[in-house]
Amino acid sequence: DTEVTQTPKHLVMGMTNKKSLKCEQHMGHRAMYWYKQKAKKPPELMFVYSYEKLSINESVPSRFSPECPNSSLLNLHLHALQPEDSALYLCASSQGASWSGANVLTFGAGSRLTVL
Amino acid sequence: DQQVKQNSPSLSVQEGRISILNCDYTNSMFDYFLWYKKYPAEGPTFLISISSIKDKNEDGRFTVFLNKSAKHLSLHIVPSQPGDSAVYFCAAVISGSARQLTFGSGTQLTVLP
Repeated sequence: DTEVTQTPKHLVMGMTNKKSLKCEQHMGHRAMYWYKQKAKKPPELMFVYSYEKLSINESVPSRFSPECPNSSLLNLHLHALQPEDSALYLCASSQGASWSGANVLTFGAGSRLTVL
Repeated sequence: DQQVKQNSPSLSVQEGRISILNCDYTNSMFDYFLWYKKYPAEGPTFLISISSIKDKNEDGRFTVFLNKSAKHLSLHIVPSQPGDSAVYFCAAVISGSARQLTFGSGTQLTVLP
């Protein structure tokens, strides 16, 4: 299995809703990432988990809450989002969290989030 | 301040011709560079990379050139095929960094049959 699977593919939520995005990989990767991508912009790093521990939080608002229940799963819990949070949320994984030439990121297809 | 820049948002090329996608960077600490390709409704997929100790890396139809003095890299696709139509992201990284990749804004390549 060489894939990163993200669910749901599309999510529409109101500003008072609580929802979650899910990400799963079975490649034995020990680092997992959340990126946010707005239209015509590059992916922006949000969080990095290394060996199931949060290692990087790029000053993301607390209305986004990541969780890594085990080495294969990564969740992003969403609460009280704003319309400007509408974007494509990409999950990625890699063998380790520190860069090396072989440590290429594998991305999922993304979850398209719309906040009304 | 964008540290990795792709100044051409779009490029159209005839099938069979060469596609050249360009990328500039400002951070001299970057020592590894990658290109990712993204189709609609899919995540980015790794295409090719180059270390700063090299000036060229080739993989089939894809070649990446690095000019460190100009802080510039380019991706050449020869010959271009309609299936190459996608958004191409340039990315850069500092070895040992836990922050992984800094992406450019992407170039939409359209290969016309």
